Amino acid sequence: SAVISQKPSRDICQRGTSLTIQCQVDSQVTMMFWYRQQPGQSLTLIATANQGSEATYESGFVIDKFPISRPNLTFSTLTVSNMSPEDSSIYLCSVGGGVFNYGYTFGSGTRLTVV
Amino acid sequence: TQLLEQSPQFLSIQEGENLTVYCNSSSVFSSLQWYRQEPGEGPVLLVTVVTGGEVKKLKRLTFQFGDARKDSSLHITAAQTGDTGLYLCAGALKDYGGSQGNLIFGKGTKLSVKP
Repeated sequence: SAVISQKPSRDICQRGTSLTIQCQVDSQVTMMFWYRQQPGQSLTLIATANQGSEATYESGFVIDKFPISRPNLTFSTLTVSNMSPEDSSIYLCSVGGGVFNYGYTFGSGTRLTVV
Repeated sequence: TQLLEQSPQFLSIQEGENLTVYCNSSSVFSSLQWYRQEPGEGPVLLVTVVTGGEVKKLKRLTFQFGDARKDSSLHITAAQTGDTGLYLCAGALKDYGGSQGNLIFGKGTKLSVKP
């Protein structure tokens, strides 16, 4: 299965600022997924990032707040913009296992605290 | 509306006891996966079930996919303190020609196994 390097692992940010989270995959993948996990909660999909096209956002998430880049098949970034304390969460990137391999691999997550 | 209902939300048991976690939905999934997540880490895939009625065993863990592919269960026999963690079920609604799209997550079961 793919190996994902996600950074930063954690950060404490001032409200009104932005943070960019990076995910590097050790193999080429078509789709990458960005999830949010609020404290004590399950995972909620933010958006799906395909290389060469605009990311697809889920209901409740907008590009201005969570811009995503996908410059190639092994890398993606998620930016959390104009942060408020409500954005304090764990952010995770994920890739699927590919054809006939249904397992998903997750990065270790970025724990964001907004003060 | 929660697409994938997971229960129980919390479970505290003694070492050596058995337990079962359930995931139910009114939707049909192309596959269903179980993950285990420890604090500060991303979810780690335990198993994927694809065929209705499928049963998979992973040492003391038994996973079952319902005949209609709408529900699943995770049974742990003789729980150990090392089984402590957050267990998440996740279903894939679509199969993009063999490469799956995003996952729908249950709310998770926080399991605590006491010595």
